Formats: sequence, C-alpha cells, structure tokens
Amino acid sequence: DSGVTQTPKHLITATGQRVTLRCSPRSGDLSVYWYQQSLDQGLQFLIQYYNGEERAKGNILERFSAQQFPDLHSELNLSSLELGDSALYFCASSVGLDRAGNEKLFFGSGTQLSVL
Amino acid sequence: KNEVEQSPQNLTAQEGEFITINCSYSVGISALHWLQQHPGGGIVSLFMLSSGKKKHGRLIATINIQEKHSSLHITASHPRDSAVYICAASNTGNQFYFGTGTSLTVIP
Repeated sequence: DSGVTQTPKHLITATGQRVTLRCSPRSGDLSVYWYQQSLDQGLQFLIQYYNGEERAKGNILERFSAQQFPDLHSELNLSSLELGDSALYFCASSVGLDRAGNEKLFFGSGTQLSVL
Repeated sequence: KNEVEQSPQNLTAQEGEFITINCSYSVGISALHWLQQHPGGGIVSLFMLSSGKKKHGRLIATINIQEKHSSLHITASHPRDSAVYICAASNTGNQFYFGTGTSLTVIP
C-alpha cells in the first residue's frame, strides 16, 4: 500500500459527460502529480500541484482541469468526455525534493475511466 | 520521435539470469526515473537518478549524462520481477517524458 488513495477505482460514463477523479496523497506529502495511461499513448504527465499551487503542466487538454485543496487532496476534472479519454488515470504524491535532490514518488492504484 | 526510448520492448528471461533494460533520452533532464508497473496495474517508483549509480537490493540503475543513457539491471532475476519497467525523464520544469515500457517475463 503506497498510502496514496484514488477514488473511484472504476468509472463508466458516456461521451459528453463530466467526471471528477479524486486523489488523497500520503500524509505529509505536499506534491501531487496526475498522469494518464492509455493503450495507444502510454503514460503521459498531465499536471503537478505543490502545496495548493500549480507547479508544472504537461499534456493536459483544455477540457481537463485540476486543483489541490487546502487539505492537500487533489481533484482532476474531465469534461466533454470523448471515447479517446478512456484510460487509467494515476496520481502520485511526494514530499518534494530531499537534501540530495531526490524525489520519491508514491503512486495510487489508479482510476480506470471508460467512456462509452 | 519520442523523447525517451526504451529497449527492448519485450524481454523473457530464465530465473536467475542477469537482466538489462536500456533507456535513451533526447531532452535535457534534471532526473531520470525508473518505474515498475505490476500486472495488476500498480506503479512503484524504483529509482530517481541524476548521476552515477544507485542500488537497491537486486536492482541497480546507472546513468551516463554525456551519452544521455540509463540502464536498469536486475541480478538473479526471479518470477516476481515480472512486470513492465518504465523509464521517465523529468526536466527542471518538472515535465515528465515517459518511455513506452519494457515488458519483462521471468520464467521459473
């Protein structure tokens, strides 16, 4: 158990709909990353938050948005869903860089999104 | 062309064999990560490297910054090592670029 909790584990919805994926980081971790893993694109980095602020942005579509709340949990909102958005969405948390410049990521078990 | 290339894509080994997975990258990086994805889908971060070599148990990761190349070695491989191993490069802007993964099967 990584200590990172993602809910729901599975989500089935229809095209055009909007969903919210939730991530609770490990206790004390300030940084949350979101990733998308699909069969054709592999793993892709979407966005990172650190202590409530957006820190880095990757290949995140405009239809997607995320935020990190004061209690450090994060939500990824996916709207106007398309068939191609079907994927496994992971979040990962970390405490940040240590003194040696290392950052260990702890991954949640993912949310499997199926858009029908 | 992908920013991160891994080889081989698939690898089958006999238990006890020494295994090497290679990763080449074309972007400037601040760190190189090795991840392990289990058959059930869960991902574990194995190493984060910015130079040299790191060892954890039977796993060794090396990086050559000049050649933009990293390797993951598994000594005395075991069937429980069967997983997909993914290399990822991160830059100073915390952008991540992922390889397509190496699927490893270790046969008893």
